[in-house]
Amino acid sequence: SQELEQSPQSLIVQEGKNLTINCTSSKTLYGLYWYKQKYGEGLIFLMMLQKGGEEKSHEKITAKLDEKKQQSSLHITASQPSHAGIYLCGAYRPTFNFGNEKLTFGTGTRLTIIP
Amino acid sequence: NAGVTQTPKFQVLKTGQSMTLQCAQDMNHEYMSWYRQDPGMGLRLIHYSVGAGITDQGEVPNGYNVSRSTTEDFPLRLLSAAPSQTSVYFCATSSGNSGSDTQYFGPGTRLTVL
Repeated sequence: SQELEQSPQSLIVQEGKNLTINCTSSKTLYGLYWYKQKYGEGLIFLMMLQKGGEEKSHEKITAKLDEKKQQSSLHITASQPSHAGIYLCGAYRPTFNFGNEKLTFGTGTRLTIIP
Repeated sequence: NAGVTQTPKFQVLKTGQSMTLQCAQDMNHEYMSWYRQDPGMGLRLIHYSVGAGITDQGEVPNGYNVSRSTTEDFPLRLLSAAPSQTSVYFCATSSGNSGSDTQYFGPGTRLTVL
């Protein structure tokens, strides 16, 4: 089973509407990344959350980290066609080698914006 | 500043063929890694390197080799391609490998093995 579960797996939203994507971890979160991916392109870094309760915003995208719930949410306000793509959350997992953490990813949420 | 570049963008191989996926970065990052992305599986780490001359295995290393002779380049070799290696491959770099270092990804190589 995946360490990071994203919901929903896909989302179709009318332009101008708000939406939320969730990322839930089965293990303790030490840091949570959000990336966006468009077809044929690599992952574009959106933001990183490191502390419980932390909230960051970039343009119309806001991400929050709930450490107790081991969960992060990504909220898009007044969605636009440019927001369409696949959103992935990623988290570091500490290994027995300190400072050698591995980044693992959720399976992604495919967002479609309807004009 | 090109960032992270990958070649080729697309490749079709026959079972048993070998090939090398190229990854280059001009950000002077020490840490480089290779991921594969498959439907329903997310991204999985294949191999990574913490600096020139140092490589280590990730989650799914079988069937792949890597080397890191320079800081800039981190090629991924498929020794004998199998249909199970059909995937999209991403190279990523970061200045370090701790939980506070952002990884930057290349555009990907889409590989099909027949």
